[in-house]
Amino acid sequence: KAGVTQTPRYLIKTRGQQVTLSCSPISGHRSVSWYQQTPGQGLQFLFEYFSETQRNKGNFPGRFSGRQFSNSRSEMNVSTLELGDSALYLCASSLGPGASQPQYFGPGTRLTVL
Amino acid sequence: GENVEQHPSTLSVQEGDSAVIKCTYSDSASNYFPWYKQELGKGPQLIIDIRSNVGEKKDQRIAVTLNKTAKHFSLHITETQPEDSAVYFCAAQKEGGKLIFGQGTELSVKP
Repeated sequence: KAGVTQTPRYLIKTRGQQVTLSCSPISGHRSVSWYQQTPGQGLQFLFEYFSETQRNKGNFPGRFSGRQFSNSRSEMNVSTLELGDSALYLCASSLGPGASQPQYFGPGTRLTVL
Repeated sequence: GENVEQHPSTLSVQEGDSAVIKCTYSDSASNYFPWYKQELGKGPQLIIDIRSNVGEKKDQRIAVTLNKTAKHFSLHITETQPEDSAVYFCAAQKEGGKLIFGQGTELSVKP
């Protein structure tokens, strides 16, 4: 069974631009979560989607948004990029929401904001 | 608020020795505790997890223990090998909540 895939793997943008990242979950998984990973802040939760509905949201500004499609694929968008948005963005999928449902991560998208 | 403390931040062991990484969580409602291994350039890989109704779980050279009273859980790796070198993250989650990660432990296994 194929794992979680994320595209693109690498991205370079400039301040003020916007970016859209894509995540395809493991087949049969219906829950998708997004995380930001930086050396200083570690792994921080962005949001979680299940059945096209956002179930949880982390403490990030409104410039960060996401959505999930009927086939469980998910996208996240960051508008008006800032230098501090440079990070590895990770997507994880699970069978469903809630604790005790293991989350499996993709390889991430490395975003660099210049 | 919800918090997970992880220690040590770096750990160096000789091949064949054991390695222990410890985590403490703050939210007593947490009931799921996974451990992830992240190698350079890759996403975190789930290596073992434990639920609050279990005190210990083992999978070959890897074991996890949970002390709900003290809100501690630990990862034990025995007979370490150079390929165990990576960054390890603990996490805690409560029902309906998000995964809260520790800050990570960089494990180096010297041949």
